[in-house]
Amino acid sequence: QVQLVQSGAEVKKPGASVKVSCKASGYTFTSYYIYWFRQAPGQGLEWMGLINPSGGDTFYAQKFQGQAGVSLTMDTSTSTVYMELRSLRSEDTALYYCARGVELAGRTSNFDSWGQGTLVTVSS
Amino acid sequence: DIQMSQSPSSLSASVGDRVTITCRASESIYNYLNWYQQKPGHAPRLLMYVASHLQSGVPSRFGGSGSGTDFTLTISSVQPEDFATYYCQQSYRTPVTFGQGTRLEIK
Repeated sequence: QVQLVQSGAEVKKPGASVKVSCKASGYTFTSYYIYWFRQAPGQGLEWMGLINPSGGDTFYAQKFQGQAGVSLTMDTSTSTVYMELRSLRSEDTALYYCARGVELAGRTSNFDSWGQGTLVTVSS
Repeated sequence: DIQMSQSPSSLSASVGDRVTITCRASESIYNYLNWYQQKPGHAPRLLMYVASHLQSGVPSRFGGSGSGTDFTLTISSVQPEDFATYYCQQSYRTPVTFGQGTRLEIK
């Protein structure tokens, strides 16, 4: 069955970077985009960016662009996507999720499988 | 960005009740609307896609309708395992955006 398994919880100091992994299994890795979301404590879901495992093209939400933002990379040999978030601040404390994007009629329609979430805590 | 707003933000229901949650988009999203269920400590679970299509494995007591800017998620007879938070999400335009969530609580 389709599974996305994320790396474990992280505690980081302000200004540091964090790298979270998302390992896919149960389907053809290169056939589905992987999206990243985050959810601050008690809050809703916020899209951060996406990567196309077929070629590695990435696209980021405006908020996460730039040097102090997010970077998505992948390793097709292990079907793993990585999300690195730089220049961490306390406001980045959140659960981070990867999700598989399902295409319908040529566009991403929905997210049918999600990782279990990775808690990133930013604290001095 | 397209803004999604849900109502109510929370509601109480008893087992067996019929429950309706509403989602409104700030502009027309046609039928590019999905619904998710999230329980504490768990990732979101896709319930409905393209407004009215039931995701595989989701009980038939869940139903969705709407198009344009106004959408609804209905649970025909709430079961104990349905108490959770529900989110709508638009996929018409990037960035994808979610509603703020509706918390369904036991009365």
